[in-house]
Amino acid sequence: EAGVAQSPRYKIIEKRQSVAFWCNPISGHATLYWYQQILGQGPKLLIQFQNNGVVDDSQLPKDRFSAERLKGVDSTLKIQPAKLEDSAVYLCASSLGFRTDSFLNEQFFGPGTRLTVL
Amino acid sequence: AQSVTQLDSHVSVSEGTPVLLRCNYSSSYSPSLFWYVQHPNKGLQLLLKYTSAATLVKGINGFEAEFKKSETSFHLTKPSAHMSDAAEYFCVVSDQTGGFKTIFGAGTRLFVKA
Repeated sequence: EAGVAQSPRYKIIEKRQSVAFWCNPISGHATLYWYQQILGQGPKLLIQFQNNGVVDDSQLPKDRFSAERLKGVDSTLKIQPAKLEDSAVYLCASSLGFRTDSFLNEQFFGPGTRLTVL
Repeated sequence: AQSVTQLDSHVSVSEGTPVLLRCNYSSSYSPSLFWYVQHPNKGLQLLLKYTSAATLVKGINGFEAEFKKSETSFHLTKPSAHMSDAAEYFCVVSDQTGGFKTIFGAGTRLFVKA
């Protein structure tokens, strides 16, 4: 079974530039998550999709970050314009579902995209 | 409010000795609890999960964790550390707060000495 795919693996940009990350979840997984992991910290959930609808985006900086999951499969996360503090690893994960007390909410993670903003 | 606290940022053990990584959580609902491991330059991998079945949960590579509701704890243990266990470990809580939220702890880095 193929895992969660992410690209690119590494990206270096200058502040105020734009960048986009792509994620392809495991086939059949309805729920997709984007996390930001700053060096030395645990991952922070940015946005969660159920199929192509947003379940939670309360921690997404909406003035500069946007995400979409057209057709309920793959997803794109964009930053425009980037700031120095956006330097982090951006992780994508997927799960069969998201119901508490269920095996459905086990998340499978991709390798991440390491973003450096200069 | 939902939260998770990993009580140690770093733990150092000798190979062959027991491992204890501590995690406390706060949740208004019946939570699901997970431990993930992250080896350097590798993706996050699930070690084990608790979803209201047995309170003692066994995972991969000899790890286990016990859910203690009265203490709001979910500590990770292993009887005998191996060099390959050196990594970052994350305790994670998911519940129905505000829809459905997942929160990661700050992580505990495990060092294993030969």
